[in-house]
Amino acid sequence: GDSVTQMEGPVTLSEEAFLTINCTYTATGYPSLFWYVQYPGEGLQLLLKATKADDKGSNKGFEATYRKETTSFHLEKGSVQVSDSAVYFCALSFYGNNRLAFGKGNQVVVIP
Amino acid sequence: KAGVTQTPRYLIKTRGQQVTLSCSPISGHRSVSWYQQTPGQGLQFLFEYFSETQRNKGNFPGRFSGRQFSNSRSEMNVSTLELGDSALYLCASSLVQGEPATQYFGPGTRLLVL
Repeated sequence: GDSVTQMEGPVTLSEEAFLTINCTYTATGYPSLFWYVQYPGEGLQLLLKATKADDKGSNKGFEATYRKETTSFHLEKGSVQVSDSAVYFCALSFYGNNRLAFGKGNQVVVIP
Repeated sequence: KAGVTQTPRYLIKTRGQQVTLSCSPISGHRSVSWYQQTPGQGLQFLFEYFSETQRNKGNFPGRFSGRQFSNSRSEMNVSTLELGDSALYLCASSLVQGEPATQYFGPGTRLLVL
């Protein structure tokens, strides 16, 4: 079935460091890809999305490019802040279907 | 515009009981989906309702059920609760079905089964 794989383990980094979170997917067909963020005690918020190959989603300094050849959608931010500390989820869905398949999520901790 | 609201925010139940959770989508949104979030299994899709009809269903036992009303509000019910049902239950709404719709999530209902 369709699935999303995120790199294992939490990510701890210093303020202003470069952040990368890897995401790869397995799917039949061409899904839309999403990054969601969950702050402590809250629901999920859409961070960015891309609907076709080579699309780049961006928001709040975060970017991710839909790479069909490597079935990847890695999240990057050039200079993180303490306020970026949260759990980040990669997800996919298909046109005409609101069912999201999520990765396991990555806890990001930014240290001042 | 008000966001997705879920009630109650916290619930404690005992094994064997049943529970009903409620979700009010963003005004104008007709699609409502439910997800279960646990530390072990992560986020798993339960079901989706669109215009009062269940359009998609995840791989959960029949103890998990839902419905949607004409005003798009949705409820999910879990009968004969088990300890493993302890989780954060998230509801998400979206404007339409048919496009790669952005789903807006509520804050969730945290259910603890003792």
